[in-house]
Amino acid sequence: DIQMTQSPSSLSASVGDRVTITCRASQGIRNDLGWYQQKPGKAPKRLIYAASSLQSGVPSRFSGSGSGTEFTLTISSLQPEDFATYYCLQHNSYPNTWTFGQGTKVEIK
Amino acid sequence: QVQLQESGPGLVKPSQTLSLTCTVSGGSISSGDYYWSWIRQPPGKGLEWIGYIYYSGSTYYNPSLKSRVTISVDTSKNQFSLKLSSVTAADTAVYYCASLGYLFDYWGQGTLVTVSS
Repeated sequence: DIQMTQSPSSLSASVGDRVTITCRASQGIRNDLGWYQQKPGKAPKRLIYAASSLQSGVPSRFSGSGSGTEFTLTISSLQPEDFATYYCLQHNSYPNTWTFGQGTKVEIK
Repeated sequence: QVQLQESGPGLVKPSQTLSLTCTVSGGSISSGDYYWSWIRQPPGKGLEWIGYIYYSGSTYYNPSLKSRVTISVDTSKNQFSLKLSSVTAADTAVYYCASLGYLFDYWGQGTLVTVSS
């Protein structure tokens, strides 16, 4: 199975800060990775697909990078509505079992 | 736009089988554009992928749940379903159905299933 290690598990930041979240895969997954945002009581919403492609309608302050085993989600200037929990999801076709990262809770400083 | 809605009992007794159905509207479940998926989230915890079914009928499951999970599809009703057998309190969670695709993905609102006697 492919394991995803997401870090940090939580962070405190201020509006306007640059925030970076990392996911590391236990084996190479090419760019088969998405980033999701989840707010309390709501279903997750995908922000990034194929590691670095911005989902339609998502603000450009969100960006993704990486390939292989290391991936990053960056929020260039944190906005009040961005306080939420973020997850990565790997969906590599071999061995065709998908895995979420453990999540990163972004809180107000 | 695809819309999904989960339905099923909100309370299941230990050792019984949890059964949920996801009704799809605005798109065909026979479409090869999506992986028809189930994901769950225990209260206060992270997301866990349960498995998916593809339009071809192929299914893939989380290895940790594989022995207890079955995902099936009813194309005539545009629905797909989850069965999880021998449930325990650890299976208490919000269960989401989702259609995960390359360009788009869509999620149901989620349904809380509590395992308790």
